[in-house]
Amino acid sequence: DAMVIQNPRYQVTQFGKPVTLSCSQTLNHNVMYWYQQKSSQAPKLLFHYYDKDFNNEADTPDNFQSRRPNTSFCFLDIRSPGLGDAAMYLCATSRDRPSYEQYFGPGTRLTVT
Amino acid sequence: DQQVKQNSPSLSVQEGRISILNCDYTNSMFDYFLWYKKYPAEGPTFLISISSIKDKNEDGRFTVFLNKSAKHLSLHIVPSQPGDSAVYFCAAGNTGNQFYFGTGTSLTVIP
Repeated sequence: DAMVIQNPRYQVTQFGKPVTLSCSQTLNHNVMYWYQQKSSQAPKLLFHYYDKDFNNEADTPDNFQSRRPNTSFCFLDIRSPGLGDAAMYLCATSRDRPSYEQYFGPGTRLTVT
Repeated sequence: DQQVKQNSPSLSVQEGRISILNCDYTNSMFDYFLWYKKYPAEGPTFLISISSIKDKNEDGRFTVFLNKSAKHLSLHIVPSQPGDSAVYFCAAGNTGNQFYFGTGTSLTVIP
């Protein structure tokens, strides 16, 4: 089954210790997105890749970076996690822009201690 | 500022009855609207969409209504089934730009 896979599902990191979350897709979609969702809040778009073209949202902190080495994989790097970065991180893909229909992974729950 | 609002965090409905989930948005330029459904431990999955040129879109038991003048859309599920119990997210945006999500409404369908 074509899908969006996120690893790990749960990640615990220490305050200030860099952490990387990964996402892979078998859909061969051009666009990959990273969302942050805090408890009882709406998913918030951090950035997206349209093929190799990186698009950062204006209010995404510099602490968050992303890499897309190939079509299938996309990584979210948090350089110095703070307690406020604890959240669910959702990866999504879409065939093309505009992103009428996005396919989401199950998410990675990040805990910062 | 929240551009898409779902003011009801939760909703309980008896099996077989109609479920109505509501969503309001603030940007009159939004031209496309979507509903996603999310089960626990899974990512959201696309359910149904509507463009601003329509006021209604139907797919089986699911119907989305759009009232542009009120900047309001709603999702109707008829008849509701226990398997419909999930969190429903509304999303809205413009062609070519990002979509904004609401905070979700948790629907419980009681057998």
